[in-house]
Amino acid sequence: DTGVSQDPRHKITKRGQNVTFRCDPISEHNRLYWYRQTLGQGPEFLTYFQNEAQLEKSRLLSDRFSAERPKGSFSTLEIQRTEQGDSAMYLCASSFPRGRLSTGELFFGEGSRLTVL
Amino acid sequence: TQLLEQSPQFLSIQEGENLTVYCNSSSVFSSLQWYRQEPGEGPVLLVTVVTGGEVKKLKRLTFQFGDARKDSSLHITAAQTGDTGLYLCAGLLSDSWGKLQFGAGTQVVVTP
Repeated sequence: DTGVSQDPRHKITKRGQNVTFRCDPISEHNRLYWYRQTLGQGPEFLTYFQNEAQLEKSRLLSDRFSAERPKGSFSTLEIQRTEQGDSAMYLCASSFPRGRLSTGELFFGEGSRLTVL
Repeated sequence: TQLLEQSPQFLSIQEGENLTVYCNSSSVFSSLQWYRQEPGEGPVLLVTVVTGGEVKKLKRLTFQFGDARKDSSLHITAAQTGDTGLYLCAGLLSDSWGKLQFGAGTQVVVTP
């Protein structure tokens, strides 16, 4: 399977603990995005990388959140000192934009569902 | 406040009926996409529309992009139970570096 893969698919943790999610994008895709989705809502943009550079971060991404893409391949999203409000589906997506002609299609992984007790 | 408003929020129909889902905004998008999402899964791209007034057909699904590139609709003909899912529209602003803005989605349930 050469799609976007995310790990773990489900994570249950206690408030105050740290969690880390991993995303492996489609191999030739140089852009990688993290979105968060809560029940009844569409995905909300968190951050994105072009190769290893983090180019934009949403104001939703508090200082407890950090994302990395050290070698321009896989990415990790870490949440420190989790709160109940962090409970959501964390979606990773990748794309391969073709310059100014890019129409933005994203290929999503299956998501990592976080439950904070 | 969501940049893209989808309506209705929820739609329940019987197999064989037709349905239309709307996606509206006051912003102009360089492209607009429709995704379908099933429970516990990530969204899957259905179509991308780029040109104002564009109509694209994908089997029983018809997608239209408004002339002013601010709105879009998805029409499903003769719905099947397999069409059940959350339909999301997502727009790309011209200065957004590829960052998509999503609507809240329309939950479609097709019953036998």
